[in-house]
Amino acid sequence: SQELEQSPQSLIVQEGKNLTINCTSSKTLYGLYWYKQKYGEGLIFLMMLQKGGEEKSHEKITAKLDEKKQQSSLHITASQPSHAGIYLCGAPLRTGNQFYFGTGTSLTVIP
Amino acid sequence: DTAVSQTPKYLVTQMGNDKSIKCEQNLGHDTMYWYKQDSKKFLKIMFSYNNKELIINETVPNRFSPKSPDKAHLNLHINSLELGDSAVYFCASSALAGVGEQFFGPGTRLTVL
Repeated sequence: SQELEQSPQSLIVQEGKNLTINCTSSKTLYGLYWYKQKYGEGLIFLMMLQKGGEEKSHEKITAKLDEKKQQSSLHITASQPSHAGIYLCGAPLRTGNQFYFGTGTSLTVIP
Repeated sequence: DTAVSQTPKYLVTQMGNDKSIKCEQNLGHDTMYWYKQDSKKFLKIMFSYNNKELIINETVPNRFSPKSPDKAHLNLHINSLELGDSAVYFCASSALAGVGEQFFGPGTRLTVL
């Protein structure tokens, strides 16, 4: 099993629908990052959460961090085709500055 | 201006060959990384390099070696390529080691035949 598990693995939604992606850590979280990868391209930083209970929003994307549960969620409101891609959570989980990514969630938005 | 660049974008080679992938960042960052993304899109860290300190993921075969001629460059050398090395390799950089936003290159798709 991986240190950071994401669910669901893939998601297909109709344009305009809301959706949630979850990221669960097997270790204590000292910060959690969300990235998006468009197909065939590099990763783009979305947001960083540092404190338990923290919630951040950027346009129609909201992320929350629940440190006690070692979980984070990413919520997209009124999805659009431009939201399609692979969403990855990431966190530094070990000493030595090693950064780990989650298992990824592939999002398809049908117009 | 491209923040993190990688060359080549595509690399097709025969098993057993030695190849290199170059990475350059113009952000003035102190830390650079190499990641491997497999066919299932799972992204795994291979190395992080900060101020001449190299941290290696213990699962990376010693056929892989990063080389940093200066702070702006972290190249990846791969010896005796194997079929299982086929993947997309991403370079990234950040201002601080393991903390803060990482900026990613566009990736290098390596295919070993």
